[in-house]
Amino acid sequence: DTEVTQTPKHLVMGMTNKKSLKCEQHMGHRAMYWYKQKAKKPPELMFVYSYEKLSINESVPSRFSPECPNSSLLNLHLHALQPEDSALYLCASSLLDSEGNQPQHFGDGTRLSIL
Amino acid sequence: AQKVTQAQTEISVVEKEDVTLDCVYETRDTTYYLFWYKQPPSGELVFLIRRNSFDEQNEISGRYSWNFQKSTSSFNFTITASQVVDSAVYFCALTMNSGGYQKVTFGTGTKLQVIP
Repeated sequence: DTEVTQTPKHLVMGMTNKKSLKCEQHMGHRAMYWYKQKAKKPPELMFVYSYEKLSINESVPSRFSPECPNSSLLNLHLHALQPEDSALYLCASSLLDSEGNQPQHFGDGTRLSIL
Repeated sequence: AQKVTQAQTEISVVEKEDVTLDCVYETRDTTYYLFWYKQPPSGELVFLIRRNSFDEQNEISGRYSWNFQKSTSSFNFTITASQVVDSAVYFCALTMNSGGYQKVTFGTGTKLQVIP
């Protein structure tokens, strides 16, 4: 079992639907990350939150809307997605330190399919 | 700009063989960190090993060992006596400090298949 829990594990949605992905960790990590991973590709960073504030948005389309309601939760709200958004969405967390050398802990991911 | 190259796309070995995964990186930073992650079919990336740019000492941890050479910008990873459970995609990653959190550059991954 991973220490980062993502729900749902699988999601199929139409292009007009609104859905949310959820990520939860109780390790006291104050940095949380969303990645998108296409098949046979490495994860691509989407967003980084540190101390519940958005620190990085890697030019992600506005149809993806992240939210960090508290230090343990990270959500990704989805609206009007396109078929090319079908992918594995991974959440990760890490400790924050002055050197940035802490390993990231990943969840199992949500496999998203857009019809 | 940072770059991580994993030239081996797929490797197949027979169980109990040793296997080395290659990683070459590029960075202009003097302080950086290198990681290896394993991604089994279940999806989650699992942290394996970490090395900082100031420590070139090579180590062994169980069946895992790594060879970090700054002179050639390489960070190779070896699994000794491979097992079927080692079958996964392995990512080499380079991180830089971005105010405490990490901004990670992943390599393209090497898919390892261990045949019984």
